[in-house]
Amino acid sequence: DVKVTQSSRYLVKRTGEKVFLECVQDMDHENMFWYRQDPGLGLRLIYFSYDVKMKEKGDIPEGYSVSREKKERFSLILESASTNQTSMYLCASSLSGGRSYNEQFFGPGTRLTVL
Amino acid sequence: AQSVTQLDSHVSVSEGTPVLLRCNYSSSYSPSLFWYVQHPNKGLQLLLKYTSAATLVKGINGFEAEFKKSETSFHLTKPSAHMSDAAEYFCVVSVSGTYKYIFGTGTRLKVLA
Repeated sequence: DVKVTQSSRYLVKRTGEKVFLECVQDMDHENMFWYRQDPGLGLRLIYFSYDVKMKEKGDIPEGYSVSREKKERFSLILESASTNQTSMYLCASSLSGGRSYNEQFFGPGTRLTVL
Repeated sequence: AQSVTQLDSHVSVSEGTPVLLRCNYSSSYSPSLFWYVQHPNKGLQLLLKYTSAATLVKGINGFEAEFKKSETSFHLTKPSAHMSDAAEYFCVVSVSGTYKYIFGTGTRLKVLA
């Protein structure tokens, strides 16, 4: 059974802390994505990676960075957490080739609260 | 530019009655379209996808969707709602030639007993 796992389901951090969100997939997918989900806004892309050490900014990259040192792992980093980064964070992966019909597989999400 | 619009933010149906969740898309190219479901505090699960084969696509849990190019629509239907269908549903269009997926803002389905 294919799987995308995220390191934490719930996380509470303080303003200014550095936060790491980890995502691991076991499907040997080339593409990995980080989204944030807010009520009424759907999912918004923060960053995606199409290969190890390769990344591209999504629609809302400000305040975030990413790391992909191994194919199966994609980390989202909040350099200095702020209250407006309180949100649900979803990781996803998909096959590559630029084939637009490849579906994404999602992790269960991390609900982050920044106090 | 590609975009997707989910026409209803909330839909309520009675158990056993049909479900219709509406989605319109805009795409310069032949699109790939997806419907995902998200149950409370869970990740998204693929219901079905359209990839330019059959225009009527069958998915899991009795859902299906019909691609209508003339209407630029990809509405999701189910003949008979079940309580377990209560969830949020997202229509997604992929951006041809890129790795990007454009998500609708979601439709929350409520199923009444």
